[in-house]
Amino acid sequence: AAGVIQSPRHLIKEKRETATLKCYPIPRHDTVYWYQQGPGQDPQFLISFYEKMQSDKGSIPDRFSAQQFSDYHSELNMSSLELGDSALYFCASSCAGSWANYGYTFGSGTRLTVV
Amino acid sequence: SQELEQSPQSLIVQEGKNLTINCTSSKTLYGLYWYKQKYGEGLIFLMMLQKGGEEKSHEKITAKLDEKKQQSSLHITASQPSHAGIYLCGADNEGGSEKLVFGKGTKLTVNP
Repeated sequence: AAGVIQSPRHLIKEKRETATLKCYPIPRHDTVYWYQQGPGQDPQFLISFYEKMQSDKGSIPDRFSAQQFSDYHSELNMSSLELGDSALYFCASSCAGSWANYGYTFGSGTRLTVV
Repeated sequence: SQELEQSPQSLIVQEGKNLTINCTSSKTLYGLYWYKQKYGEGLIFLMMLQKGGEEKSHEKITAKLDEKKQQSSLHITASQPSHAGIYLCGADNEGGSEKLVFGKGTKLTVNP
């Protein structure tokens, strides 16, 4: 079965550079969530989108922005990267109508290393 | 903000032994999710519990939700090396919110 696809799997950037992470949700899933997991930390919710509109916002820095496109894929744009941005970034997707029963599915994550 | 406490933080067991991981919330639980994570990899959905007293099982893993105690437990029977990993509980503390807050995880090692 198709899963949540994230790209790239690994990314190395220098400080002050920009990074773009992509997420392709499970087909027919209309909601996308982004989480950040620092080394040894629990995942922290960043932002979510439902039907291409931002639906909820968590601890996302102002340097980050995200959007969901017409094909439901989402991109997380990160500018002026800092060393502390090094983390695993997870995307998850769900179908709003069935979320209460099935929760959502995570992708394998993008490991961002800022040097 | 919510606090999800997981215990123990780490656990080392011999293959074949049973074990239990607990997750306690400081807020009302509207939904409790269990995920497994291999180091540096994605979160694999295990189970979701919503109703007090609910209990679900999948293969050798059973999870229960005690709504009154705002607590869930994950029990593994006859553990195997393949069970090793980090177990994370995630909670919906806002009732209908689709964002989860996570505990800090329990690292499980199963020695053959």
